[in-house]
Amino acid sequence: GENVEQHPSTLSVQEGDSAVIKCTYSDSASNYFPWYKQELGKRPQLIIDIRSNVGEKKDQRIAVTLNKTAKHFSLHITETQPEDSAVYFCAASSSFSFGNEKLTFGTGTRLTIIP
Amino acid sequence: NAGVTQTPKFQVLKTGQSMTLQCAQDMNHEYMSWYRQDPGMGLRLIHYSVGAGITDQGEVPNGYNVSRSTTEDFPLRLLSAAPSQTSVYFCASSYGGTSLNIQYFGAGTRLSVL
Repeated sequence: GENVEQHPSTLSVQEGDSAVIKCTYSDSASNYFPWYKQELGKRPQLIIDIRSNVGEKKDQRIAVTLNKTAKHFSLHITETQPEDSAVYFCAASSSFSFGNEKLTFGTGTRLTIIP
Repeated sequence: NAGVTQTPKFQVLKTGQSMTLQCAQDMNHEYMSWYRQDPGMGLRLIHYSVGAGITDQGEVPNGYNVSRSTTEDFPLRLLSAAPSQTSVYFCASSYGGTSLNIQYFGAGTRLSVL
């Protein structure tokens, strides 16, 4: 099955600096890569996603890049703000057959923004 | 729309007890799934369903049962609770499978097994 590795497990950056979180996946058939943000005690919420036919996607301060050849994708947060502090999860979707996609998550990165 | 609703929010069980975690969604989503979240291990898929009457196992299905009699409801049953099942459980739903649309998560159920 799919295996998703995420690094680093913790990350501290000064407010205003950039943060980068990296993930690798094992199944070359994976075609959907979402990123979720989970604030303390809350549910995970999708912040950005990318599909395998796209190399990069940007939404304001957040961007995701995908390298299918190397099987890795990254989350980039620019101009970080205190409200960016949270745990971030990457995930990959491995389709076995239509309607049977399974989402495999990375182990998470705890991002702390230092004021 | 209420989205994805999970009950209860908190539960304490004794080893060997059984219980059902409830999950309901009002978005007419076909795909529903259950995850458990443990420190340092991310979210692991327990069971999922692609529609009423259809369920399948995820990564960590042992000790759990599911059924999907309606589109709206996807309960998770713990047959005989064990301390290893102490975790936070999230239910999620999406319109057409994980690669097609956004997964919406419930607020979670925090379960402790003593």
